[in-house]
Amino acid sequence: DQQVKQNSPSLSVQEGRISILNCDYTNSMFDYFLWYKKYPAEGPTFLISISSIKDKNEDGRFTVFLNKSAKHLSLHIVPSQPGDSAVYFCAAINQGGKLIFGQGTELSVKP
Amino acid sequence: ETGVTQSPTHLIKTRGQQVTLRCSSQSGHNTVSWYQQALGQGPQFIFQYYREEENGRGNFPPRFSGLQFPNYSSELNVNALELDDSALYLCASSSRGQGNYGYTFGSGTRLTVV
Repeated sequence: DQQVKQNSPSLSVQEGRISILNCDYTNSMFDYFLWYKKYPAEGPTFLISISSIKDKNEDGRFTVFLNKSAKHLSLHIVPSQPGDSAVYFCAAINQGGKLIFGQGTELSVKP
Repeated sequence: ETGVTQSPTHLIKTRGQQVTLRCSSQSGHNTVSWYQQALGQGPQFIFQYYREEENGRGNFPPRFSGLQFPNYSSELNVNALELDDSALYLCASSSRGQGNYGYTFGSGTRLTVV
């Protein structure tokens, strides 16, 4: 039972353009969402989060949008840089305070 | 401020053997969670420890067990290893009770079962 889904395993974007990574969830009780970035041979590192009482949170080049009615969130990176190339995980906090991850999307930013 | 450290970084074991993975929490964190990340998948929650007791468990069999020590470090033990246990095992520490979700992950232990 995959409660958090990232349906695009990979995404390729040109440097300077916008990267949009998508995530869907099934449990309407989730009230906090996070995005993590992971490089090979490293653990996931926190990128940005959003509470369900908001529909947008912005931090520099990174913006997360939340559509509760659609149970959908997205991460926008603009402008994309080659150093952004990594695997991005969407995660939700469940009622027990545990992180539930999606499968990940591998982003490749081409120079 | 020290981060989360895991040991060993890589490990090869034979099916049926037992393995112990170790994790040192970030300074100031009192909660440790363990995750299994199979190839091409997202991390799957195994269990969490708080105040040396298990505080939540994912869909993993009892042969996956853990410990948390008074200094908040932790161990993950897996008995009767199976080929499907081959994965990256991630430890994450956090501070329960502070109203935030600041999980800090270690770099993981890559376990290969042959």
